[in-house]
Amino acid sequence: AQKITQTQPGMFVQEKEAVTLDCTYDTSDPSYGLFWYKQPSSGEMIFLIYQGSYDQQNATEGRYSLNFQKARKSANLVISASQLGDSAMYFCAMREVNQAGTALIFGKGTTLSVSS
Amino acid sequence: DVKVTQSSRYLVKRTGEKVFLECVQDMDHENMFWYRQDPGLGLRLIYFSYDVKMKEKGDIPEGYSVSREKKERFSLILESASTNQTSMYLCASSLSPQGALTEAFFGQGTRLTVV
Repeated sequence: AQKITQTQPGMFVQEKEAVTLDCTYDTSDPSYGLFWYKQPSSGEMIFLIYQGSYDQQNATEGRYSLNFQKARKSANLVISASQLGDSAMYFCAMREVNQAGTALIFGKGTTLSVSS
Repeated sequence: DVKVTQSSRYLVKRTGEKVFLECVQDMDHENMFWYRQDPGLGLRLIYFSYDVKMKEKGDIPEGYSVSREKKERFSLILESASTNQTSMYLCASSLSPQGALTEAFFGQGTRLTVV
């Protein structure tokens, strides 16, 4: 079974608008972390934001915020005031604290296109 | 600045060749990972290592092996390259403090073509 599900292969948004990228996850471990990465066309993987399973507040980093709904097992990325440079592939990922050396598991990604 | 370096950006190999993809990190990280990225499939974990000489299979280990003789270096080996191993390969590393979760840092990727 997929541990990380990103149901939107592609999203389109106009500059200055907000956009939400969906991510749902599946784990039975009570302690886990959720990550979002951005991959522009150059191919590098850029870490954006992190949410721990015990964090009481939703994580925010500049224009990025994570809408964490633990009961629904969702961790959606919200980008406010989109910019042309936000056009990229976005990946949601999860790590579980169940043993030493935890792997980072990724979803299939969402391609975001921002137009002027 | 943190640095994960993959030995090649582009590589073309022949079917049946033994292929080594090298990854070096300078951050003294315990954990290192190898992923392959294919369109529509995201990043899939091949192998990871949480310590020197330790390795764990990921989701798609078949056709691959790994070596971690030193903490800073994690090698991915294709014993006999096949065309279905044509892909982008990404190496990553992360800290592993007890009970904590940290982000992974990625190399620039190696685009491998097997002909």
